[in-house]
Parts: sequence; C-alpha cells; structure tokens
Amino acid sequence: EGHLLESGGGLVQPGGSLRLSCAASEFIFVRHEMIWVRQIPGKGLEWIAYINNNGASVHYADSVKGRFTISRDNTKSSLFLQMNSLRVDDTGIYYCAGNPRGRFDPWGQGTLVTVSS
Amino acid sequence: DIQLTQSPFFLSASVGDRVTVTCRASHDISSFLAWYQQKPGKAPKLLIYDASLLQIGVPSRFSGSGSETEYTLTITSLQPEDFATYFCQQLKSYPYTFGPGTKVDI
Repeated sequence: EGHLLESGGGLVQPGGSLRLSCAASEFIFVRHEMIWVRQIPGKGLEWIAYINNNGASVHYADSVKGRFTISRDNTKSSLFLQMNSLRVDDTGIYYCAGNPRGRFDPWGQGTLVTVSS
Repeated sequence: DIQLTQSPFFLSASVGDRVTVTCRASHDISSFLAWYQQKPGKAPKLLIYDASLLQIGVPSRFSGSGSETEYTLTITSLQPEDFATYFCQQLKSYPYTFGPGTKVDI
C-alpha cells in the first residue's frame, strides 16, 4: 500500500517561507501522481496542489497559486511543497497523498504549519 | 468550481444502526466521487472511490451509490470503530473539492 511521511512544518511569521517534504517508502513513487491537501484543525479539507509522475504537469488551487510550488525528486522518492509569502490563513495541517485515478491514497500523517507573528 | 454539500452535518447513532450520508454536487460529476473516514488526530482514510468501488481492506458494511449530482455512503450495522467524520470528494475537475463533512457520533 505504501507509506508517506511529511516533515518541515513549524511556526513561521506572516510573509515567511517554509519547505515541506514528503518521503515515500514501500511505494513505487515514480508511478504515482501526487497531491498536497491541507486542513485547518477541526475544519474541512482543501486540495491545494497536484503533480504528475514525471513533474511535467502541475495544478494549484487559486488560494495558493503564485505562492506555493509543488515538485518531486523521483530518485529520492520525495515530494516537496515550497511555500512563500505565507499568510495567517495558510495555518493548518498539511498532508501529502498519492493520487491514483479517482482517489487520494495513501495519505501521510500530516505536518502542522502555523503562520503567526 | 464544483461545490459539494453533505447531509446531515451531524448524526447521532447507535451500534448496529444503518447509517446513510448524502453528498450533493453543484454539477454532474459523473461518479468521480470518493468517500473518506477521518478520526481525531488522524489523516483521512479512503473508503470508496468512483462512487461505489470499495477500497481494498475496507469492511463490506461500507457501500456507496449514486450518479450525476447525488451520492450516498451507507454503513450497515454501525460498529464502535465507525464513529468518525466522513467526507465526500469530487475528482471530476480541478480544483478537487471536498464536502464539509458529516460527524457520526454516539
């Protein structure tokens, strides 16, 4: 089934940057399209970014377009999310997940990003 | 963007009950719908995809149905471990959107 492990979350001031990583194991990473989803604790889920298996195609939610960049390193079975110009409303738990056709699976355990002064 | 609504928002049930959650889409999503279960402090877990296909390892008491704009998740004979929040999601078009969630509580 595969395992995903996010890292890189933390506390950052508004306007700052963070880079999230997602390490894949027991998972043929190069075959999988990948996504990032975020969730405000106790609230709903928001898809924010997608990347295809070779990195040539990406899509973003309007809320992060121009500020966040999704990328991947297939040689290291790793997914990344570069987050710039962070805002208070970017605060939340960030999950990476595989995106086989029609679903998100598997999911990582999430990493918390807090944007606050 | 395709909007999803779920009903009910909150559901109180007992072990052994049959539970149904409804998800309605603002546009025809052609069965590109998935259902997830989330427990406190945990990541969502895929239950159903393509509206009615059961993910491997998910108990058969979970089932999904529907088409076009209306979909349902049914749990027959609710078990203690099923008390959680359930989200629907459309994967017909970007941005992929989620419903607001239905909390199933005792």
